[in-house]
Amino acid sequence: AQRVTQPEKLLSVFKGAPVELKCNYSYSGSPELFWYVQYSRQRLQLLLRHISRESIKGFTADLNKGETSFHLKKPFAQEEDSAMYYCALANTPGSEKLVFGKGTKLTVNP
Amino acid sequence: DTAVSQTPKYLVTQMGNDKSIKCEQNLGHDTMYWYKQDSKKFLKIMFSYNNKELIINETVPNRFSPKSPDKAHLNLHINSLELGDSAVYFCASSVGGGGTEAFFGQGTRLTVV
Repeated sequence: AQRVTQPEKLLSVFKGAPVELKCNYSYSGSPELFWYVQYSRQRLQLLLRHISRESIKGFTADLNKGETSFHLKKPFAQEEDSAMYYCALANTPGSEKLVFGKGTKLTVNP
Repeated sequence: DTAVSQTPKYLVTQMGNDKSIKCEQNLGHDTMYWYKQDSKKFLKIMFSYNNKELIINETVPNRFSPKSPDKAHLNLHINSLELGDSAVYFCASSVGGGGTEAFFGQGTRLTVV
């Protein structure tokens, strides 16, 4: 069964510091991995997905199949990055199930 | 212009009542979902519909019944509400076909008292 693990429930950094939100997954096939973000009082929205290999708002995430990880990174955190971050996995192509990790609350202090 | 809209945004009700949450998407997507976010912010899928057909039904009490009158709507009806049902319920939609971006509604905060 597919599973997504975000080991850190809370993560606090200072503005300008690098930040890494960890995500590990368990899935036997070829996964589609995503990062979703939920800012305060806003809806959940897609931040980035591994197949697009983009950098969104300065964030990047690389899929490491050997370590089954998809960590989210940003070299210089900003206060507006404070939010709840969810790593998510979509399983077998053709399946509609999107499994989320438990989320990491990131707080960027001034 | 809201892509995925849910009503109501807030719902406070007593134990034992029956309530419904409505969801509509104007993106032309084939797939719609219901997710439950508990007090610890854990987000878990409940149901998924593709073209009005139920394709995912996670371990959810029978008191929860989704209904999809057409592919643009997926409503959630809850019977005999319990205290433990208090949560934020999110509707979402996607193009479908697996591995596609999900667009979420703003959520419905249900409080059972």
